[in-house]
Amino acid sequence: AQSVTQLGSHVSVSEGALVLLRCNYSSSVPPYLFWYVQYPNQGLQLLLKYTTGATLVKGINGFEAEFKKSETSFHLTKPSAHMSDAAEYFCAVSPFGKGNKLVFGAGTILRVKS
Amino acid sequence: SAVISQKPSRDICQRGTSLTIQCQVDSQVTMMFWYRQQPGQSLTLIATANQGSEATYESGFVIDKFPISRPNLTFSTLTVSNMSPEDSSIYLCSVEGGRFTDTQYFGPGTRLTVL
Repeated sequence: AQSVTQLGSHVSVSEGALVLLRCNYSSSVPPYLFWYVQYPNQGLQLLLKYTTGATLVKGINGFEAEFKKSETSFHLTKPSAHMSDAAEYFCAVSPFGKGNKLVFGAGTILRVKS
Repeated sequence: SAVISQKPSRDICQRGTSLTIQCQVDSQVTMMFWYRQQPGQSLTLIATANQGSEATYESGFVIDKFPISRPNLTFSTLTVSNMSPEDSSIYLCSVEGGRFTDTQYFGPGTRLTVL
């Protein structure tokens, strides 16, 4: 069965510091991988995705993620945190590609300290 | 990106009653999904809404409890039947296909509280 593990339910960083949110997945086939962000009392917004091709993908708001097949990882990074980045972040995998369900990780709440 | 709306945005209901949630997309899409996000938890897929046929339910979810309709390529409804406090969650629809390939876009969600 496919699964997604996000290490750390809560991450706290200082404003201007590096943001690193970890995501590992298990999948028997090459998956599609996604990061979504959820601001308080809002729906999910797509940050970035990996389907095929270049393994380093760039998303909105300065975030990027790298697909590492050997490590089955898809960690999310941002060089410099901003207060507005405070939100909950979800890593998701679509094990069978487009048109199929997403399996979500448990989520990581990012806190940004001033 | 797709404009996806859900109605109602929130509701407070009494146990034993039913609530129907609507999901409307501004263009035709191939796939529509319904997810549940219980308080403080991640999202879990309830079912895939199939246009013109019965929905495909995930393990642990049944049609009698969560009937779903999808009469066309831009609209779907999810009904939460015979509600109990355990049904208090955020219910989200997502869409994929049409001009939105390879990615699911989510509606704003419906926040349901059952007393």
